[in-house]
Amino acid sequence: VQLVQSGPEVRQPGASVTISCRTSGYKFANYAIFWVRQAPTHRLEWMGWISAAEGDTKYSDQFQGRVNITRDTSAATVYMDVTNLTSEDTAVYYCARDGPRLEGDSGHDFDHWGQGTLVIVSS
Amino acid sequence: QSVLTQPPSVSGAPGQRVTISCTGAGSNLGAGYDVSWFQQLPGAAPKLLIYDNISRPSGVPDRFSGSKSGTSASLVITGLQAEDEAFYFCQSYDSDLSGWDVVFGGGTRLTVL
Repeated sequence: VQLVQSGPEVRQPGASVTISCRTSGYKFANYAIFWVRQAPTHRLEWMGWISAAEGDTKYSDQFQGRVNITRDTSAATVYMDVTNLTSEDTAVYYCARDGPRLEGDSGHDFDHWGQGTLVIVSS
Repeated sequence: QSVLTQPPSVSGAPGQRVTISCTGAGSNLGAGYDVSWFQQLPGAAPKLLIYDNISRPSGVPDRFSGSKSGTSASLVITGLQAEDEAFYFCQSYDSDLSGWDVVFGGGTRLTVL
């Protein structure tokens, strides 16, 4: 199982960023994906979740309206758009796999993580 | 401020035992949601250490153990080793109007003296 994220990004305040999370080594449709970010203080914040099979999404209230998560089943890849960036969005962003949706599949919530994508927001 | 409360730091000498606490509330740990624990080494992504309160993924040494009671959970590390120096996070779920939220503790820095 591998989750490989896109590279570091630098944006100006007010801009948007898209981060990708390419998965491999398992059946993409059988597991949802979480997005979590980690501020320079090390604090972890859950941002949102997408069901890889149906594309259903759920967002933390803190990020609702500013974050959009999508997926491309043919590419086994999940994307997260974050808009209207401020300096407080400077963080490392991680994707992580949810537990199995089907009995008989292996795994647990947050058992596999991407390597992280550093996003710096600065003028 | 994180929903789950952890001590900012703990320390111990090699070979000793340390405990990291994770305190929640009635809407998360007290509602029956399970706790997971993660270890984060410098420059790396978090790694799952404990899931479902007490279970270890394959490959995690049995020096790491977890427990949960009511609105609190604990991670215990015995036989402390230098390589255990890292950040440790607890994670669970919280009930909200739309069903659930993922919540994390603020993290605990473990220093091996």
